[in-house]
Amino acid sequence: SQQGEEDPQALSIQEGENATMNCSYKTSINNLQWYRQNSGRGLVHLILIRSNEREKHSGRLRVTLDTSKKSSSLLITASRAADTASYFCATGGGSYIPTFGRGTSLIVHP
Amino acid sequence: NAGVTQTPKFQVLKTGQSMTLQCAQDMNHNSMYWYRQDPGMGLRLIYYSASEGTTDKGEVPNGYNVSRLNKREFSLRLESAAPSQTSVYFCASSEYLTTSSGVGLGTYGYTFGSGTRLTVV
Repeated sequence: SQQGEEDPQALSIQEGENATMNCSYKTSINNLQWYRQNSGRGLVHLILIRSNEREKHSGRLRVTLDTSKKSSSLLITASRAADTASYFCATGGGSYIPTFGRGTSLIVHP
Repeated sequence: NAGVTQTPKFQVLKTGQSMTLQCAQDMNHNSMYWYRQDPGMGLRLIYYSASEGTTDKGEVPNGYNVSRLNKREFSLRLESAAPSQTSVYFCASSEYLTTSSGVGLGTYGYTFGSGTRLTVV
C-alpha cells in the first residue's frame, strides 16, 4: 500500500515562528493530502495538492509537492498555540488505498 | 451537521466479549474505512469498503469483521475481544473516483469520525 511518512516526528517552536514538516512517499500519486489531529479527536482535512501542482496556499498554510523527489512539505506561518496538534500526510492515486504515517507532533509554546 | 458519526465514544470490554462499532456518514460518499490508532503507530487501516456491496482487508484485519450495511453505514465487529485490540478506532469516508472504464483515480479527502476509545481488560 502507498504510505506517507512524516518528518520530523516531533517539532517544538515558539508562537510566531514558522513550522515546516515533510512527507515522503514511494510510488506515483494523483494527489497528496495533509491532515491535522488535535489531541483525542479525529483527523481534519487541511489541504489537498494534485500531482500536477507544485504549490498551494490556504490561509497560513503552504504546501509544496515535488513529484521527482516524491516529497511534500507543509509550512505553517506565524504559528499559534492553537496549531499544537499532530499533522499527517496521506497520498491518493490509482487503485490502492492511501495510508497514513505516524505523523509530526507539533507543539507551539505561547 | 454533515459528517461521520461513530458510536459508542467509549467502551470497556472484558477479554472474549464481542461488540460492534457503528459508523454512519451523510455525505453520500462511496468509500468508507476503519482505522485504529495506537501510540507511536499512527493510523493503521483495518478494513475498507470502496463502494456499497464491497469490503476488503487493510493492513491489520485479524480479529475484526465488517459489514457495509448500505451506502451510509459501515460497522466494525470484534467477535472475541483481546487486550491487543485496546485502541482508538476511527471511521472515515471519502469519495473514491474512477474512470468510466473502472480505473481507480484515488481518494480526494477523508472525513473522519470523532473516534471510539476501546479498552479490553
